[in-house]
Amino acid sequence: AAGVIQSPRHLIKEKRETATLKCYPIPRHDTVYWYQQGPGQDPQFLISFYEKMQSDKGSIPDRFSAQQFSDYHSELNMSSLELGDSALYFCASSPLASNTGELFFGEGSRLTVL
Amino acid sequence: GNSVTQMEGPVTLSEEAFLTINCTYTATGYPSLFWYVQYPGEGLQLLLKATKADDKGSNKGFEATYRKETTSFHLEKGSVQVSDSAVYFCALTSNSGYSTLTFGKGTMLLVSP
Repeated sequence: AAGVIQSPRHLIKEKRETATLKCYPIPRHDTVYWYQQGPGQDPQFLISFYEKMQSDKGSIPDRFSAQQFSDYHSELNMSSLELGDSALYFCASSPLASNTGELFFGEGSRLTVL
Repeated sequence: GNSVTQMEGPVTLSEEAFLTINCTYTATGYPSLFWYVQYPGEGLQLLLKATKADDKGSNKGFEATYRKETTSFHLEKGSVQVSDSAVYFCALTSNSGYSTLTFGKGTMLLVSP
C-alpha cells in the first residue's frame, strides 16, 4: 500500500539559510499534518491543512510557512534557520472522513542546521 | 486541552520479561487512543489503537485497553524481545474532523538478551 512520502530524507543547512520540505500524502487523504521532533523529544504539532486551507496551527514559528497544493501535496518552508531548528520533521496524512482520528506518518525529513 | 502522560524511561528489561508502560490522558469528549513506536533512526509507526471505551488494541503481542474510568491506556506485552527495543509514544486524538494528534513524552524500552 502507498505510504506518505517525504523528501528530502536528510538536509544540511547553514544558519540563516532557507529550507523546503515536501510531503506527498497517501492517495485520497485530504488532510496533511506537520510535526517537529527535536532530539529526545516527543513530536510537536506545527500545522495542518485540509483541502488546501490551513485547518489548525500549533507551535509553528513565524519564520516557517506551509501550504497544501491542488494535488494535496504539502511543503514546509523554513527561513532564517537557527541551530534549534535541527530536528526530524514528520508529515502525516489522514482522510477527513476518518472516524478514528488515526494519522499515517511518513519516515520524516532530518534537518541539520550548522 | 488534551494531554498525555506516560511513564518516564528508560525501561530496561531482560528478554522474555513482562512489559508495562503506563499512559494516562486528559481529553474532552471521547478520544481515540494510540500507541506509536519509533525504532532507532526511523519514523513513527502505529503499533495499536482503540477508538472507544473498553476496546482492546493489539498487535505483535502488544496489548492496551481503553479504560475510560481511569483515563488510561497502558501498554503491555507478556514476553519482550531484543527487537522490541524502541521508543513508545502514547497518543490521542478526538474523533471529529481534522483533529491533531497529541503525544506523550515517549518511553524508551531497552531489552537485553
